[in-house]
Amino acid sequence: GQNIDQPTEMTATEGAIVQINCTYQTSGFNGLFWYQQHAGEAPTFLSYNVLDGLEEKGRFSSFLSRSKGYSYLLLKELQMKDSASYLCAPKGGSQGNLIFGKGTKLSVKP
Amino acid sequence: DAGITQSPRHKVTETGTPVTLRCHQTENHRYMYWYRQDPGHGLRLIHYSYGVKDTDKGEVSDGYSVSRSKTEDFLLTLESATSSQTSVYFCAISDVGRNTIYFGEGSWLTVV
Repeated sequence: GQNIDQPTEMTATEGAIVQINCTYQTSGFNGLFWYQQHAGEAPTFLSYNVLDGLEEKGRFSSFLSRSKGYSYLLLKELQMKDSASYLCAPKGGSQGNLIFGKGTKLSVKP
Repeated sequence: DAGITQSPRHKVTETGTPVTLRCHQTENHRYMYWYRQDPGHGLRLIHYSYGVKDTDKGEVSDGYSVSRSKTEDFLLTLESATSSQTSVYFCAISDVGRNTIYFGEGSWLTVV
């Protein structure tokens, strides 16, 4: 079967660092996406990892371990505008489509 | 921003009526998708298309049909709307490699 697990909610302080974890089980794994979604808006693409390791992109970094079925999104120097839901989505299954987790709602407080 | 337009953006309809949502892209991308998003669930794939007239079912396809007669348009039809189909519907597109998938702004559908 296919299963994605990430925390439902997290809270962090402005200026701090937060790590959002995601564990997954999926057949035919072929990469993992992270999306940001503000309330009432569409998901926006943050990162795509295919190989093991850390990918850094400005304040956001994403890590993948394929052998462990594990990924995390690291957000540095948190800003109030980072308050949003973060969606983990491995690509796989028989059709090679994205399978979305329920998302982690991050609240950034002053 | 990816050139994706969804219409209508908001709609209220009555149970039992047919409803069609339209997704239009200007990127000439091969793949197009329809997802729904509900509280307590992640985004769930309804149907997707991998080319003109080539479509396939996703995870939650019952009660929905799709058509793609040209590259730029992907239509989602609720043949007889039910209250359980009240949701936010997102269209998405991706190129052949499917390494980046972009979402439209969403269509809010309420079935009363």
